[in-house]
Amino acid sequence: DQQVKQNSPSLSVQEGRISILNCDYTNSMFDYFLWYKKYPAEGPTFLISISSIKDKNEDGRFTVFLNKSAKHLSLHIVPSQPGDSAVYFCAASPPAYSGAGSYQLTFGKGTKLSVIP
Amino acid sequence: DGGITQSPKYLFRKEGQNVTLSCEQNLNHDAMYWYRQDPGQGLRLIYYSQIVNDFQKGDIAEGYSVSREKKESFPLTVTSAQKNPTAFYLCASMEGWDRGLLGYTFGSGTRLTVV
Repeated sequence: DQQVKQNSPSLSVQEGRISILNCDYTNSMFDYFLWYKKYPAEGPTFLISISSIKDKNEDGRFTVFLNKSAKHLSLHIVPSQPGDSAVYFCAASPPAYSGAGSYQLTFGKGTKLSVIP
Repeated sequence: DGGITQSPKYLFRKEGQNVTLSCEQNLNHDAMYWYRQDPGQGLRLIYYSQIVNDFQKGDIAEGYSVSREKKESFPLTVTSAQKNPTAFYLCASMEGWDRGLLGYTFGSGTRLTVV
């Protein structure tokens, strides 16, 4: 049972336009969400995160939106640049104090973003 | 610079052999994790450890073993019992399992190929 879903395996966007990557989750216990960026043959690097007490978090060209009622989050990249071409993973976790056993992230399968010059 | 070092970057193994992947961190992080990445599968948790001398199975632990004798080190052994070991393996750490807002720091990965 996939608790974090990224339904688009790939996305192509023109340079300078907006990239929107989507993520849905099913576990209502999740309250913290992260986006990671991964280049081939490298480890993922942290991009941006959002807590469930917020509905938006912005960092430069990257903005994450959270819609708790819909259990949906999205990552917006504006403007998109060729260097943004990578696989983007959405990840989620329950509260650390939830007693769910331990802290661990649940990842989606990733979306491969291609930014075309 | 602090970080996580995975070695080797590429590893070839004959069928039926055990092989150990190294993961070392100098971030003074408490928790460490092993993930496996396969095409179209995302990241799947193999094992994790919150503290020295303690570790827990993840979603796909069969055919793998780990140890956590030191805070800095969390080696993963891929045994001959793992049916499909060819994959990209990622090690990660986190400052404290009760301070989860920081997320993971990942190593650069090890590509294991069974020949």
